[in-house]
Amino acid sequence: EAQVTQNPRYLITVTGKKLTVTCSQNMNHEYMSWYRQDPGLGLRQIYYSMNVEVTDKGDVPEGYKVSRKEKRNFPLILESPSPNQTSLYFCASSDRDRGGIDTQYFGPGTRLTVL
Amino acid sequence: GQSLEQPSEVTAVEGAIVQINCTYQTSGFYGLSWYQQHDGGAPTFLSYNGLDGLEETGRFSSFLSRSDSYGYLLLQELQMKDSASYFCAVRDQSGGYQKVTFGTGTKLQVIP
Repeated sequence: EAQVTQNPRYLITVTGKKLTVTCSQNMNHEYMSWYRQDPGLGLRQIYYSMNVEVTDKGDVPEGYKVSRKEKRNFPLILESPSPNQTSLYFCASSDRDRGGIDTQYFGPGTRLTVL
Repeated sequence: GQSLEQPSEVTAVEGAIVQINCTYQTSGFYGLSWYQQHDGGAPTFLSYNGLDGLEETGRFSSFLSRSDSYGYLLLQELQMKDSASYFCAVRDQSGGYQKVTFGTGTKLQVIP
C-alpha cells in the first residue's frame, strides 16, 4: 500500500530534550516536506527536499533541522525543543514528475507537546 | 511574501452546492491546489489548477482565474461526510517554485 508513515504519532517531552520525528514514504517520491499545523494558522511549511541531499527552508524553519540521506526518509529533528514548538506535525511527499509537487500525500501526523 | 485568504467557516445544507473561495497574493505564481482535512485526520489532495478554467472531479470542481488572483472549490450534491476543513495552497516564485504556502483553511459544516 502506497503510504507516508510518521513516528511517533504522539509525543510528550520536556524543554531542551532533543527529539527526532521520522518520516518514510514507499512511493519513490522525490519531493518531501514537513509542515506544522496550529489552530487558526493552517499548515505552515518547515522544510522541504527536492531529492537526496537537497533540502531548503520553508516559512518557519527556526528551531528545526532535517536531513535527506535516503530518498524514502526525511526525519525532522528538534535539537532543543521549546513549548512554542508544541503543534501537530505532518510529513508529505509528492512525485515531482507525475502529478507534480502540488499533489502531496500526507502522513497521519505527529502530535507533539513540549512542556 | 505570499498570502492566501479563505473564509474561516461556511455552513451549507445537505444536497446543496457550496463554493469556497481563495484569493492569493504572490510573487509569481505556479498553480493552485485544494486539500480536504477531516477532524483528526491528515490533509488529502482534491484538485489542482495550473491554468485558468474549471477542473472537474466527480462532485468537486475547482476554478482558477490567474488575472484575478482568485480561485474557488465547488462542492455539489453535498453530503454529511463533506463536513471538513478545506485548504487552498500555492507555489510561487519564492523558493524557486518549490515552496508551498497553504491558506488558513475553511471549515465546512454540512447540516441536514
